[in-house]
Amino acid sequence: AQSVTQLDSQVPVFEEAPVELRCNYSSSVSVYLFWYVQYPNQGLQLLLKYLSGSTLVKGINGFEAEFNKSQTSFHLRKPSVHISDTAEYFCAVTGGYGGATNKLIFGTGTLLAVQP
Amino acid sequence: NAGVMQNPRHLVRRRGQEARLRCSPVKGHSHVYWYRQLPEEGLKFMVYLQKENIIDESGMPKERFSAEFPKEGPSILRIQQVVRGDSAAYFCASSTDSGNTIYFGEGSWLTVV
Repeated sequence: AQSVTQLDSQVPVFEEAPVELRCNYSSSVSVYLFWYVQYPNQGLQLLLKYLSGSTLVKGINGFEAEFNKSQTSFHLRKPSVHISDTAEYFCAVTGGYGGATNKLIFGTGTLLAVQP
Repeated sequence: NAGVMQNPRHLVRRRGQEARLRCSPVKGHSHVYWYRQLPEEGLKFMVYLQKENIIDESGMPKERFSAEFPKEGPSILRIQQVVRGDSAAYFCASSTDSGNTIYFGEGSWLTVV
């Protein structure tokens, strides 16, 4: 079975500082990896995804993530955060079980709290 | 550029009533997924449907919950005889066959009083 672990439930950071949100996954098959952002009382917006190819993936709003197969990680980074980046961030994985399901498995989320 | 449309956005039901949540996928998407987000928790997979078929319902509670995605019309998540513990945000998502990008709706917030 696949699973996703987001070790940090909350990450406080000052505005214009860099940030890294950690994500580790477990899977016995090849995977697709995603980061979504959720603003309060809203749905999920796709930040970026890794399907194949280059392990460094660039997304919207200046975010990027690096797929590390040996460490089974897909950490999200931004070199300089803004107040408007304050939100909940979810890492997710999907992939074939040898079957035909596309369902996403989510981590528990990390609240990025940007302080002035 | 219509994305995944969910309605109602907010729904209040008394204990014992029925709740129906509707989801219209992105145009051209034939795969629909329902997720539940309890307060202060992440998203939990409930069910995955293709047109007229349930592909994976491993996350659906065994009783009171059902889902459908008919040939015509939106997908429906139905909760019978709601209880306070059903209060949550319910998110619908859709994708094409490849499943390599899954788009989410804005969610339906169910409150059971």
